[in-house]
Amino acid sequence: AQRVTQPEKLLSVFKGAPVELKCNYSYSGSPELFWYVQYSRQRLQLLLRHISRESIKGFTADLNKGETSFHLKKPFAQEEDSAMYYCALSGAGGYQKVTFGTGTKLQVIP
Amino acid sequence: DTGVSQDPRHKITKRGQNVTFRCDPISEHNRLYWYRQTLGQGPEFLTYFQNEAQLEKSRLLSDRFSAERPKGSFSTLEIQRTEQGDSAMYLCASSSQRQGASGANVLTFGAGSRLTVL
Repeated sequence: AQRVTQPEKLLSVFKGAPVELKCNYSYSGSPELFWYVQYSRQRLQLLLRHISRESIKGFTADLNKGETSFHLKKPFAQEEDSAMYYCALSGAGGYQKVTFGTGTKLQVIP
Repeated sequence: DTGVSQDPRHKITKRGQNVTFRCDPISEHNRLYWYRQTLGQGPEFLTYFQNEAQLEKSRLLSDRFSAERPKGSFSTLEIQRTEQGDSAMYLCASSSQRQGASGANVLTFGAGSRLTVL
């Protein structure tokens, strides 16, 4: 079974402060991890995935297989980062379903 | 191509009625997913297709739910004898799966179809 846990429903930070959105997963095989974001009144969209190892909008995430975590980080929060963030998991190889966490609402206070 | 399209955007129905949602994926995408999302929850997996084949269906789905993708293009999700607990946003997503490609599990979502059961 595959499971994604996002322990925080809401994370409030001040503008310019660092952000860390937590994600832990459970999966017996080799996982593929993603972060999706949903801005107000917009569709759910991909933010980044671990195999790309890239920074998107200043966000980065590192897959830690030992701790089974894939936390999303940004050194300096911006007001436009306020949104719902969902961590997602799939098995590697392309024939696996994608499972989502319950999401964390990031609120950046001006 | 305008992305993933879902219709209707909002459906209000009375308990016991049947409802059907339609999803048109991105044309070159051969994989199609259905998810359900309720307030405060993440997208909950329902089922997904590779072309016209339904690869997996969630055990959470009762027999009242059925999905089809007859020609490997658009898909329909039907809910029979709706219950108030079926009220939710039904999301469709698509992706392109080519053997060996890295984008197989990168989902493009539609705007969703919101169901309200009275």
